[in-house]
Amino acid sequence: AQRVTQPEKLLSVFKGAPVELKCNYSYSGSPELFWYVQYSRQRLQLLLRHISRESIKGFTADLNKGETSFHLKKPFAQEEDSAMYYCAYSGGSNYKLTFGKGTLLTVNP
Amino acid sequence: ETGVTQSPTHLIKTRGQQVTLRCSSQSGHNTVSWYQQALGQGPQFIFQYYREEENGRGNFPPRFSGLQFPNYSSELNVNALELDDSALYLCASSRNTGTSFFGWLDSPLHFGNGTRLTVT
Repeated sequence: AQRVTQPEKLLSVFKGAPVELKCNYSYSGSPELFWYVQYSRQRLQLLLRHISRESIKGFTADLNKGETSFHLKKPFAQEEDSAMYYCAYSGGSNYKLTFGKGTLLTVNP
Repeated sequence: ETGVTQSPTHLIKTRGQQVTLRCSSQSGHNTVSWYQQALGQGPQFIFQYYREEENGRGNFPPRFSGLQFPNYSSELNVNALELDDSALYLCASSRNTGTSFFGWLDSPLHFGNGTRLTVT
């Protein structure tokens, strides 16, 4: 079964520090990986998808098929990055996203 | 551009009752997906509708059913409610090509704010 693991429920860093949110997935076929973010009192929204290979709000994520990981990184965290982050996996495009349990990131001043 | 809207925002039902949740998809989107998010968990896929037909289903019993209308809006129906059905129900819409070959052209999922269902 497809599975997405986010080992950290909570992650706290100071402003300006590097941040890495971990995500591992169980491999099945050609995966599509996504990171979704939910800021306080806002709806769930797409942050980035691996197929786009872009950097959004300073965040990047590299798909490592050997380690079946898709960790989210940012070199210098900002207070406005505080949010709930979900890693999601799909066997194809938008079809049937499997979400991890999420990591709550808090960036302290 | 109108975003995904869901109604109602909150709902309280009694075990055994039936409930209908509604979703209006974002303008230009042709696909609707429904997710259940229990407290402390990530969203869990219920099913997806494309061109008014169910296009995939997660591990949910048949008492969870849905509809998609010609204007791409959607309903989620749950019969014989159980206490464990208490959750946030999220609707998401997207513009899909309908094939995995052109899947990279598909727009990302746009989520609504959800309907909080409490079953007592």
